[in-house]
Amino acid sequence: AQSVTQLDSQVPVFEEAPVELRCNYSSSVSVYLFWYVQYPNQGLQLLLKYLSGSTLVKGINGFEAEFNKSQTSFHLRKPSVHISDTAEYFCAVTRSGGSYIPTFGRGTSLIVHP
Amino acid sequence: GAGVSQSPSNKVTEKGKDVELRCDPISGHTALYWYRQSLGQGLEFLIYFQGNSAPDKSGLPSDRFSAERTGGSVSTLTIQRTQQEDSAVYLCASSLDGSYEQYFGPGTRLTVT
Repeated sequence: AQSVTQLDSQVPVFEEAPVELRCNYSSSVSVYLFWYVQYPNQGLQLLLKYLSGSTLVKGINGFEAEFNKSQTSFHLRKPSVHISDTAEYFCAVTRSGGSYIPTFGRGTSLIVHP
Repeated sequence: GAGVSQSPSNKVTEKGKDVELRCDPISGHTALYWYRQSLGQGLEFLIYFQGNSAPDKSGLPSDRFSAERTGGSVSTLTIQRTQQEDSAVYLCASSLDGSYEQYFGPGTRLTVT
């Protein structure tokens, strides 16, 4: 079974500052990794995914994440945040080549201040 | 095109009553998922439908929960004899066959009083 730990429940940051949202996973097999964003009163939207290939993955809205197998991490980064990035961010993992059912972390609330 | 839709958007019910939550997936998506999102928690997987295969019900928390998918499209999640701990947002998602990208609906907020 897989598990996901999002180390920060809340990350406050000022507009135009860089941000990193941390995600660590645990799995005995190879995994696929995902980041989703949830804006208030909406469903989740896929930001980016790592299935194979380059460990640096670029997603929508200027976000990127790097898969680090040795550290079992998949941290999400953005060099300059906007007010509109205020949302809940979820990291998720699924077993590669197997189930399509992901295991989600508890989420990190990104709060961007003007 | 139309995304995943869910109804109702909000539901308030009394403890002990049954409720039905509806999900309309994106047309052509063969996979459909139900999740539960409680305050401060991540998403908890409930059930997964894929085409004509038997659903994966491994996430249903008790036998009070059931779901069906008619005609490979619309799905209904039923909770019988609701309890206060069932209060949560119930999210539905769909995806194309073989895709790991899920498209989520806006959810149904269930409040059991």
